[in-house]
Amino acid sequence: GIQVEQSPPDLILQEGANSTLRCNFSDSVNNLQWFHQNPWGQLINLFYIPSGTKQNGRLSATTVATERYSLLYISSSQTTDSGVYFCAVEHGDSWGKLQFGAGTQVVVTP
Amino acid sequence: DVKVTQSSRYLVKRTGEKVFLECVQDMDHENMFWYRQDPGLGLRLIYFSYDVKMKEKGDIPEGYSVSREKKERFSLILESASTNQTSMYLCASSSRLAARYNEQFFGPGTRLTVL
Repeated sequence: GIQVEQSPPDLILQEGANSTLRCNFSDSVNNLQWFHQNPWGQLINLFYIPSGTKQNGRLSATTVATERYSLLYISSSQTTDSGVYFCAVEHGDSWGKLQFGAGTQVVVTP
Repeated sequence: DVKVTQSSRYLVKRTGEKVFLECVQDMDHENMFWYRQDPGLGLRLIYFSYDVKMKEKGDIPEGYSVSREKKERFSLILESASTNQTSMYLCASSSRLAARYNEQFFGPGTRLTVL
């Protein structure tokens, strides 16, 4: 099956700092999503981004499908950005199934 | 906004009990999914359904069954709960509309403990 690798596994930021999270995948994908899991376990949709660049407030994402990676940028981080960020992809041969990466644990300190 | 709800946030059951986890979505989505999330193992797909009364096995279907009698509702059933089914269970739904094909939206999760 398709492999999804996220880096770094852990990130500690001071409030106000910027950061970049990376997601590499091993094959072509139909769908790529970024999620934020808050401390209560809820997965919140950040981006649906199989290709291209999108921005939503302080967050932006870029997927370069031909090179099999996606980046999530967090700018001017806030303590509410803490949590786990997941990348998930749908492979062409696995209709409907999202394969999740292991996640990046982000802690933003005041 | 898409809303996916799950019947319980926390559930405690005994070994051998039959357990029902319910999921309801209000966006007329065709597809619905059940995942479990465990430390060190990430999120893994148990079952999914692309239409009423249809179901497909995911990566870890053993010990589980599902039911989808209505479009908006997808139930996960643990026929005889075991301690290794203690986990966080997450339901999701998605549409087959081409523009946002299979963009999945998740419910709040159910933390199940089997004693």
